[in-house]
Amino acid sequence: QLQLQESGPGLVKPSETLSLTCTVSGGSISSSSYYWGWIRQPPGKGLEWIGSIYYSGSTYYNPSLKSRVTISVDTSKNQFSLKLSSVTAADTAVYYCARQTTVVTPGYYYYYGMDVWGQGTTVTVSS
Amino acid sequence: EIVMTQSPATLSVSPGERATLSCRASQSVSSNLAWYQQKPGQAPRLLIYGASTRATGIPARFSGSGSGTEFTLTISSLQSEDFAVYYCQQYNNAGELTFGGGTKVEIK
Repeated sequence: QLQLQESGPGLVKPSETLSLTCTVSGGSISSSSYYWGWIRQPPGKGLEWIGSIYYSGSTYYNPSLKSRVTISVDTSKNQFSLKLSSVTAADTAVYYCARQTTVVTPGYYYYYGMDVWGQGTTVTVSS
Repeated sequence: EIVMTQSPATLSVSPGERATLSCRASQSVSSNLAWYQQKPGQAPRLLIYGASTRATGIPARFSGSGSGTEFTLTISSLQSEDFAVYYCQQYNNAGELTFGGGTKVEIK
């Protein structure tokens, strides 16, 4: 059974870089059609997609966060990571990682949703 | 960027009744639309993908419909465990995802 687990500091200072890692167990991060995404949820608010990565390294980012986000993958460790720079209090949230299934062929794509999620990790931005 | 708008923000329903949730996209997303359920303190759970296909293990009382810009999630007979927040999410050909603001289904 596939499981995802987020890890990283729970407290980050303003203007610094938030770094989180998602470890995938029970399956390979290098499987075709699977993308790996980061989503966050500020306290009491809705969900916001941050970005996604394919095992080949192709990345897709939320345009509103793109200038501050870097997502990378380490297939040897079955992990993918998130870096969010220049954080402020507005970046305080629960951060989730998730598996995203998308079939993409020339001229056609089909989205199967995010079907496996980590439990989430709370990150607070405060001095 | 495609904007997803969900309505209503809150829906008050009695157990056993039908709930109808709406999601509108600012431009066509074809059928690349998913629905999620989230309970307090939990990660979201995938309910529907492809606008109308139930994910594995999802009860038949959950159904999705629509295409293009207008989508609906229907819960035919609300059970106690269905009171939660529901989100729609779209995927576009740039590989970008967007969530709607959510609809909270509460006990009437």
